[in-house]
Amino acid sequence: KAGVTQTPRYLIKTRGQQVTLSCSPISGHRSVSWYQQTPGQGLQFLFEYFSETQRNKGNFPGRFSGRQFSNSRSEMNVSTLELGDSALYLCASSSNPGSDNEQFFGPGTRLTVL
Amino acid sequence: GDSVTQMEGPVTLSEEAFLTINCTYTATGYPSLFWYVQYPGEGLQLLLKATKADDKGSNKGFEATYRKETTSFHLEKGSVQVSDSAVYFCALVGRGSTLGRLYFGRGTQLTVWP
Repeated sequence: KAGVTQTPRYLIKTRGQQVTLSCSPISGHRSVSWYQQTPGQGLQFLFEYFSETQRNKGNFPGRFSGRQFSNSRSEMNVSTLELGDSALYLCASSSNPGSDNEQFFGPGTRLTVL
Repeated sequence: GDSVTQMEGPVTLSEEAFLTINCTYTATGYPSLFWYVQYPGEGLQLLLKATKADDKGSNKGFEATYRKETTSFHLEKGSVQVSDSAVYFCALVGRGSTLGRLYFGRGTQLTVWP
C-alpha cells in the first residue's frame, strides 16, 4: 500500500505570494490532517478534513485554508506569505478521526519564504 | 486545554546505554498517548501507543507505560543503537470537539555515538 504523498517536497516563495500544497492520503483513508513544524513553535495543528468537511481547525490566521476533494486528496493554501510561514508542512491521514486510529504522516513539504 | 510536556534535550548517549525521555500530559479524561519518531528529512512515524491507563506500548525495543496517577508516558529503551538517532515526540489525541487532533510535545533530539 502506498504511503501518504505530499507534493511538492520543496518550495521557495517570496513574501506576499501565495502557495498551494497537496497531500494524497493512503488509499481508503478519509481523514486528512495538516500540521506546521517550525523550530520555534514545534508541531502545530492546522486543520483536519473528513469526507470533504473541515471538522477541526487550529489557531492559525485566515490566510491558511484548506480543502478536501471527493477522492480524499487534500490541499492547503497559504495566501500573502510571511517570513514566519517558513516551515515543514506535514500531512497525515487516517481511516477515520477516532481517538485510537493511527495517523500516518507524509514526508512533508519544506516551504521557504524569502 | 490539552497539552504535552517532554524533556527537550538534546540527549547524547553511547551505544548500548539506557534511554529515558520524560513525557507528562494535561488533558480532560484519559486520552490515548503516542510516541512518534522523526528521522532526518522524513515525516513522523508512529513508534508506539497506549490507549488506557496501565497499558504498556512497545516496539523495536522501546517501551512506555501509561501512568494516570502521574499523568506520564515516559519512553525507555534498555540499549540504544546508532540507528536510534532521531527526534522523538510524545503526543496525545484530543477527544470531544478536538477528536483526532494530535497535541505534540516539543520533541527530544537523540544522538547515539558508536
